[in-house]
Parts: sequence; structure tokens; C-alpha cells
Amino acid sequence: TAGITQAPTSQILAAGRSMTLRCTQDMRHNAMYWYRQDLGLGLRLIHYSNTAGTTGKGEVPDGYSVSRANTDDFPLTLASAVPSQTSVYFCASSPLGGQGDQPQHFGDGTRLSIL
Amino acid sequence: GQNIDQPTEMTATEGAIVQINCTYQTSGFNGLFWYQQHAGEAPTFLSYNVLDGLEEKGRFSSFLSRSKGYSYLLLKELQMKDSASYLCAVRDSNYQLIWGAGTKLIIKP
Repeated sequence: TAGITQAPTSQILAAGRSMTLRCTQDMRHNAMYWYRQDLGLGLRLIHYSNTAGTTGKGEVPDGYSVSRANTDDFPLTLASAVPSQTSVYFCASSPLGGQGDQPQHFGDGTRLSIL
Repeated sequence: GQNIDQPTEMTATEGAIVQINCTYQTSGFNGLFWYQQHAGEAPTFLSYNVLDGLEEKGRFSSFLSRSKGYSYLLLKELQMKDSASYLCAVRDSNYQLIWGAGTKLIIKP
């Protein structure tokens, strides 16, 4: 079915290495988001993009970068991974940039462990 | 700062009714969302409130009081498949979602 695809599903990464988490949506949504989810904490916004060509910083952007070259793809890059970046990462999208009653739709997540 | 509070865990019996509360203090308010998240899966949208009052969707209802910074999710005729975490999220003045840590709901036969 249509929706959001994230890859990889899970990954173990050595500290200091770089990695790109991929996110692709086929719903033609304007806005896309990256969250991390840690035990006992709510979803925290890392970066977002309200439309292709634009990006913005969320609550916890340090150590992460994003790009939005087209409507469908929104990759998240860890330039030099640290153990505190061990988390479950969710990509989400919505038709509008956070307005109206349109909810965000989520991918299945990437479980990332930094050793 | 911005804060969303929900109980960490609740237990209920199959067939019963449960109410999950959410209180919030945010910089601005542009709507409140409830999501369901089964263990190891993605959050899925349940309901949206922007005006005071009750929104009903089948077995699920959500209530909002903006003056009190309060919402609840009401689940009726509980089924075992309702065992999940329920996430409350408020859209703030920047139109970003601020998320609570979620309430883990355990359903017992």
C-alpha cells in the first residue's frame, strides 16, 4: 500500500561512522519530518521540511542533517555517530505544513544502535 | 517550557471503558492529536480536536477543554487488540507537534 518507506529497518553502527537513514513517501505530501523516540520520552522532532527545497531545525537537531531535493525523499544523515544517538527514528509526512486537521503519517521506523 | 503530561501506564479489563488523560502547557495551541502505537510499530492517527467538546469515532472518543489545557481519550468496549501506547500531541504556535511520552494501556481478559 502507499505510504512512507524507511530504510534500513535496523542498523548497528560503530561510533564515529556516518550513516544516512532513508525516507521516501508516495503520497505527494508537502511536509516531512524526522523524529527520534526514546524510552520514557515523547517523540522529539529533529528536522522538518514544509516543502521541497526548504528545511528547518526541530527540538534536537545537533549531530543530524537533512536535505529535501524533491517532494518524495527526505534523508537524515548522522555525520559522526555517538552512542547517545541510539534510538528509534521515525519519518513522517503530512499534506500541509502542520496546518488544518491533516494528521502526520508515519513510516515503520529505523532502530539504530551506536556502539 | 512546553510540557505534555500523560499517565505512564494504565490497566483495564476487556469489555470495559477506560479514560486516558492528557494535560498540556504549550506556547500556543493549534489542535490536539491522539495516536495509537503498538509495540515495535509506527504511531497511527486516532483523533483530532481543535474546538472544545467531544469528538466521537466509533469506540473511541476524544474530549478537549482549551481553557483547562486538558484532553482525554475514551475507549469503550475494550478489546485485547487495544493494548498499545496512546500518544497525546499538541500543535504549538509554530505548527509543530509537541508529544507526550505516551500511556501504555494493558488490557486484561
